[in-house]
Amino acid sequence: KAGVTQTPRYLIKTRGQQVTLSCSPISGHRSVSWYQQTPGQGLQFLFEYFSETQRNKGNFPGRFSGRQFSNSRSEMNVSTLELGDSALYLCASSFRGAEETQYFGPGTRLLVL
Amino acid sequence: KNEVEQSPQNLTAQEGEFITINCSYSVGISALHWLQQHPGGGIVSLFMLSSGKKKHGRLIATINIQEKHSSLHITASHPRDSAVYICAVQSGNTPLVFGKGTRLSVIA
Repeated sequence: KAGVTQTPRYLIKTRGQQVTLSCSPISGHRSVSWYQQTPGQGLQFLFEYFSETQRNKGNFPGRFSGRQFSNSRSEMNVSTLELGDSALYLCASSFRGAEETQYFGPGTRLLVL
Repeated sequence: KNEVEQSPQNLTAQEGEFITINCSYSVGISALHWLQQHPGGGIVSLFMLSSGKKKHGRLIATINIQEKHSSLHITASHPRDSAVYICAVQSGNTPLVFGKGTRLSVIA
């Protein structure tokens, strides 16, 4: 079974631009969660989608948004990029959610200049 | 909100040593996860536990619900165990809350 895939793997953007990241979960998994990892803050939860519905949202500004499609693939979007948005963005999938083993993708490393 | 503390922050060990990484949390949980992150960023889930003890190869995870504490043990450590180990907790339907991680270096 293929693992969780994320595209692109690396991205360089400038302040003010927007970016869309994609996550394809393991086949059959309906829950996709997104996390931001920075050296200062560590791993922080962004949001979780389950069957195309946002089930939980972390404490991030409205510039961060996401969605999930009927095939469980998920995208997250960051608008009006700031330097502090430079981070590793990870997605994880599972059948039901955080109450079971999470399978992480390789991450997208975003650099904002 | 749950506060998750890990200790130590950094750990250097000689190959073959027995290693313990600790995790404590402030509020009752339904599950605790131990994750491993290698340089390059990929994260692997090692254990998910809500009580007692689990073992997988040279790795052992224990949890004491009353004391709000979990430990990850590595027996006969090897340089390939060098990674960041992250503890994360979960309560009911809430998302995971992570510790800052423990950076382990095992020297041959």
